[in-house]
Amino acid sequence: LAKTTQPISMDSYEGQEVNITCSHNNIATNDYITWYQQFPSQGPRFIIQGYKTKVTNEVASLFIPADRKSSTLSLPRVSLSDTAVYYCLVLEGGFKTIFGAGTRLFVKA
Amino acid sequence: EPEVTQTPSHQVTQMGQEVILRCVPISNHLYFYWYRQILGQKVEFLVSFYNNEISEKSEIFDDQFSVERPDGSNFTLKIRSTKLEDSAMYFCASSEAGSGRDNEQFFGPGTRLTVL
Repeated sequence: LAKTTQPISMDSYEGQEVNITCSHNNIATNDYITWYQQFPSQGPRFIIQGYKTKVTNEVASLFIPADRKSSTLSLPRVSLSDTAVYYCLVLEGGFKTIFGAGTRLFVKA
Repeated sequence: EPEVTQTPSHQVTQMGQEVILRCVPISNHLYFYWYRQILGQKVEFLVSFYNNEISEKSEIFDDQFSVERPDGSNFTLKIRSTKLEDSAMYFCASSEAGSGRDNEQFFGPGTRLTVL
């Protein structure tokens, strides 16, 4: 399975843009990159998914360079409610989803 | 918006007892999953299920665990002879696709299992 590496934690202030980068050096050709958000005592929630270049939805943007060995989740103008753990996942065809430790984002007022 | 539901929200049991955790996946989804999360730790994959059989399972998913889709809507996780270390939040998830695009997994709210 492709292994992902992301920062353990990040701090930000309300209104700032937050970029969380994930490394996935061994990503397979058919793999998509998926990001989830998890609040305490809740299940993970899908944020965004992409294969290459840039994907944007109402919540976030995902930037993927041409070599696809990394990806950056961009959260525009974060608020206190964006304080959560963010997981980067890469699935290698099978149905075994491995969550890493994730990045704990703490947004301050 | 369709959602995954889980019951009960909290289950307390005595060590050695059997528990069954229940999940109702989103109706048109074909792939089902169970995860667990011990307090303060990461989400751990237990098992995936497709076409009425286990697709993949982790090292955690030993003979103590079993899954079943007893009817067209429910997906259950049975834990036999519970141990103290089974105390965790158990999440069920479902997805339309198993890999590639559209394999977004929708997670339920979880069942908190406490083994005394």
